[in-house]
Amino acid sequence: ETGVTQSPTHLIKTRGQQVTLRCSSQSGHNTVSWYQQALGQGPQFIFQYYREEENGRGNFPPRFSGLQFPNYSSELNVNALELDDSALYLCASSLVGTENTEAFFGQGTRLTVV
Amino acid sequence: SQQGEEDPQALSIQEGENATMNCSYKTSINNLQWYRQNSGRGLVHLILIRSNEREKHSGRLRVTLDTSKKSSSLLITASRAADTASYFCATDAGGANNLFFGTGTRLTVIP
Repeated sequence: ETGVTQSPTHLIKTRGQQVTLRCSSQSGHNTVSWYQQALGQGPQFIFQYYREEENGRGNFPPRFSGLQFPNYSSELNVNALELDDSALYLCASSLVGTENTEAFFGQGTRLTVV
Repeated sequence: SQQGEEDPQALSIQEGENATMNCSYKTSINNLQWYRQNSGRGLVHLILIRSNEREKHSGRLRVTLDTSKKSSSLLITASRAADTASYFCATDAGGANNLFFGTGTRLTVIP
């Protein structure tokens, strides 16, 4: 167990809808990152939040947005869902500012867009 | 792309044998990490090696890093059926934990 929890574990949405995924970081961590993993592929970096602000973004359109809360939990929001958004969404927490920079991942949310 | 590439894409070995997976990347890094993923689940951190380190051990795992060749290898000794999983390398590419993952090696250990 990494101490990083994600909810829900599975989700089915219809194309065009909006979805919110949630992540609770490991205690003591100040940074959360989100990744999208399509079937058979490696995870792709979406964005990272540090101190409640976006701190780096991958090649994802603006309809992917996020929030980080004072307790370091986080949300990933995706608007206008497309079929290609079907994937496993992973969040990872870490402690930036020390040498120990391992990222610890949650179990993921499996999103299916139909 | 800053992504790493793992080689081979798939590896099948007998229990007790050693498994070696390789990773190549394209940009300068601060560190490189190896992760394991059981089918469709979350990633489990295995080991982190810093750019100024050449080799690191953790239990049955041995990781090497050659920054001049921009490559790393993960060796799992005395493999077990429970080691069956996908293994990914990830580089930070200079960013604070903006990890760039390879495509992974699918390891199957046959009992």
